[in-house]
Amino acid sequence: DADVTQTPRNRITKTGKRIMLECSQTKGHDRMYWYRQDPGLGLRLIYYSFDVKDINKGEISDGYSVSRQAQAKFSLSLESAIPNQTALYFCATSDLKGSGRYNEQFFGPGTRLTVL
Amino acid sequence: DQQVKQNSPSLSVQEGRISILNCDYTNSMFDYFLWYKKYPAEGPTFLISISSIKDKNEDGRFTVFLNKSAKHLSLHIVPSQPGDSAVYFCAASGVGGSQGNLIFGKGTKLSVKP
Repeated sequence: DADVTQTPRNRITKTGKRIMLECSQTKGHDRMYWYRQDPGLGLRLIYYSFDVKDINKGEISDGYSVSRQAQAKFSLSLESAIPNQTALYFCATSDLKGSGRYNEQFFGPGTRLTVL
Repeated sequence: DQQVKQNSPSLSVQEGRISILNCDYTNSMFDYFLWYKKYPAEGPTFLISISSIKDKNEDGRFTVFLNKSAKHLSLHIVPSQPGDSAVYFCAASGVGGSQGNLIFGKGTKLSVKP
């Protein structure tokens, strides 16, 4: 079973709709992240959370919100989706404690979101 | 401004030859660098990393070189194999209060031809 899972894997929605993307992890990591990938733009950080009570904005948080329901769950919401939020969305986790690979992040398989 | 730059969007190499992927950074506070590999329809996976206290790290066919004075790192794949065809992202870490976060480059798409 995958350590980092994302649901749904694909979603098509309409402008103005609310949508939630969910991420779960079984790695026991404290830190979780949401990124989006656009062609030619690489991975850009939307939000990150260092533990259940900690939420931080990333580079491109406008139009998004997040919820850290538990150590293992981190969801991303688009309150009113717009077409330029069409992208690949990735969840990732990391654990700096006792890691030989400092800052290595582990990514989920991604959610392809299309906003019409 | 981009703090991590991968100036070559794509690279094509013959099987068996060396692939060299380059990455430049602007922030001298970065102290850890990583390379990720991404296949279509999958999430990025960690490939190799290097700390700023080193200038080289090797793992099998993959070697990363770091030139701190030039703020430049490169990933060498020798010999290249068709299965290495993927998008490669360079990432950097170690900036102030957001320590632990990664800053990614835009990626280089490597194609290894049989």
